[in-house]
Amino acid sequence: DVKVTQSSRYLVKRTGEKVFLECVQDMDHENMFWYRQDPGLGLRLIYFSYDVKMKEKGDIPEGYSVSREKKERFSLILESASTNQTSMYLCASSGDGGGERFGPGTRLTVT
Amino acid sequence: KQEVTQIPAALSVPEGENLVLNCSFTDSAIYNLQWFRQDPGKGLTSLLLIQSSQREQTSGRLNASLDKSSGRSTLYIAASQPGDSATYLCAVRDGGTYKYIFGTGTRLKVLA
Repeated sequence: DVKVTQSSRYLVKRTGEKVFLECVQDMDHENMFWYRQDPGLGLRLIYFSYDVKMKEKGDIPEGYSVSREKKERFSLILESASTNQTSMYLCASSGDGGGERFGPGTRLTVT
Repeated sequence: KQEVTQIPAALSVPEGENLVLNCSFTDSAIYNLQWFRQDPGKGLTSLLLIQSSQREQTSGRLNASLDKSSGRSTLYIAASQPGDSATYLCAVRDGGTYKYIFGTGTRLKVLA
């Protein structure tokens, strides 16, 4: 069964901490995405990657960075976590012609 | 800039009803359109993917149609069940891009 996995379902971090969210897909997809989802705001794209070591900013990249050293893994980094980054983070991947497959999400709380 | 709208925002129906969820988009030059289901606190589950050259896709009790010229897609759910209660989102991928633009979803409640 093909899937997208995320390293944690729930995460609690303190303000100012560096936070790593990991996403792995086993479908050999070229494209990977990080979204955040907040009530009333829907899904907003943070960053995406269309190839190894390639990345592009989405709609809300401020305060985030990403890393894609291997095709199957896409990491989201919060350089210095802040309370306004408390959210549900969703990773997705897609291949040419196909749709997006999503991971289970990570609910991050920054206190 | 592509915009995706879903109406209604919320819907409550008795079990057994057939229902239609609507999705509209402003730019018809799309690559494909995808319908998702999301349960509370969970990730998105892909339901149906319609390529730009297709008119509809079916999976079980679900049927999705696409009319690019009018910028509309509908998701038809036959014989609704309480287990269908969830938020349904549509997303559009524009031609020439890898990104999907999401609607804000329709929250469906099917009453037993």
